Amino acid sequence: GAGVSQSPSNKVTEKGKDVELRCDPISGHTALYWYRQSLGQGLEFLIYFQGNSAPDKSGLPSDRFSAERTGGSVSTLTIQRTQQEDSAVYLCASSPQSKGIEQYFGPGTRLTVT
Amino acid sequence: GQQVMQIPQYQHVQEGEDFTTYCNSSTTLSNIQWYKQRPGGHPVFLIQLVKSGEVKKQKRLTFQFGEAKKNSSLHITATQTTDVGTYFCAGTMDTGRRALTFGSGTRLQVQP
Repeated sequence: GAGVSQSPSNKVTEKGKDVELRCDPISGHTALYWYRQSLGQGLEFLIYFQGNSAPDKSGLPSDRFSAERTGGSVSTLTIQRTQQEDSAVYLCASSPQSKGIEQYFGPGTRLTVT
Repeated sequence: GQQVMQIPQYQHVQEGEDFTTYCNSSTTLSNIQWYKQRPGGHPVFLIQLVKSGEVKKQKRLTFQFGEAKKNSSLHITATQTTDVGTYFCAGTMDTGRRALTFGSGTRLQVQP
């Protein structure tokens, strides 16, 4: 079946512009996560959605970052006034529920801020 | 804060040599998962350990969960070039809402 999809796969933007990154989780998965991975680094947790509960936003690095999940499915991560340090691969993952279940990762969006 | 640390950060081995990566948590984990990320790819789930002292094997890979459920290891016997990638542990804390806290990863390079 279809896995987690993300779009775009690559995004180049100028410093100061806003960007939107999209994640389509696996159908029926109630939990959705956003991570950021800089080149050669580990996974930095950004935000976590679980069903209708309030999202865990504790990993968002600044108020320029926000995310929403509409209808419990598709999620959009928005970065306002992008900075060069925002350049990274943004990974989305979903799982059937919250704790104790493997996460299925999408291919990621590579963001380059020039 | 709650952290999961992994060592080493990087290991370069000759094909056929063994490899081990270690994962340590500052708090007790209810379970631990391991993921592999190939160069240019995304993390892919390998296994989950739940019980104290649990040991699981997948062919040449052996996974252990410590008795105190605060540490874990992944051992690869007789590495092959297909083992190249970054191995991440990820733990579920007993407390807190977030499902997984990822370790920093160990990048494995295997020289043929």
